Amino acid sequence: GAVVSQHPSWVICKSGTSVKIECRSLDFQATTMFWYRQFPKQSLMLMATSNEGSKATYEQGVEKDKFLINHASLTLSTLTVTSAHPEDSSFYICSAKAVGQGAYEQYFGPGTRLTVT
Amino acid sequence: SQQGEEDPQALSIQEGENATMNCSYKTSINNLQWYRQNSGRGLVHLILIRSNEREKHSGRLRVTLDTSKKSSSLLITASRAADTASYFCATRTGANSKLTFGKGITLSVRP
Repeated sequence: GAVVSQHPSWVICKSGTSVKIECRSLDFQATTMFWYRQFPKQSLMLMATSNEGSKATYEQGVEKDKFLINHASLTLSTLTVTSAHPEDSSFYICSAKAVGQGAYEQYFGPGTRLTVT
Repeated sequence: SQQGEEDPQALSIQEGENATMNCSYKTSINNLQWYRQNSGRGLVHLILIRSNEREKHSGRLRVTLDTSKKSSSLLITASRAADTASYFCATRTGANSKLTFGKGITLSVRP
């Protein structure tokens, strides 16, 4: 089946620094990738949708200058949390939709746990 | 905003018993999906049911969809300790619309 990887799986950073999270589709090409955030014992909230080669579309309330998304190729999207603060600590999950697959198919990565101290 | 709402929020059963989880949603959908998430891990897709389908099976999983009541249920038969996880329903209002997740149900299966 289609595999999505994320790197790193967990990261601890100091307040004020920036952190980059990578999302890769390993065995398929993804025209669209999604970034979600999940707080403990809560649901996944969509942050943004990115299409390869174009700007990401951010959900209401998500600061695009704080959460920079780049989807430079059909297999890689990155999320950079700039000037991270403790309230940005969360579980970040990416998801990818495959080229040529039915519109229903969306594959999820294993998540990245970010802790900002 | 939340589209799907699961109930119960938490369920604890004995191994071997069946687990039934429900999801209700507010607007018309194109399809509804169920996912499993083990603690601190990513999501695993379990099953997708389209709006014109009423029931689907996959192994020990049975999903029903009642579009008139805007609700779905996930039945796990003969539960195992390894089924312990959080379960989420997610809906799409259109074929290419975003997935919207419910709050999730925490299932604990006691060995």
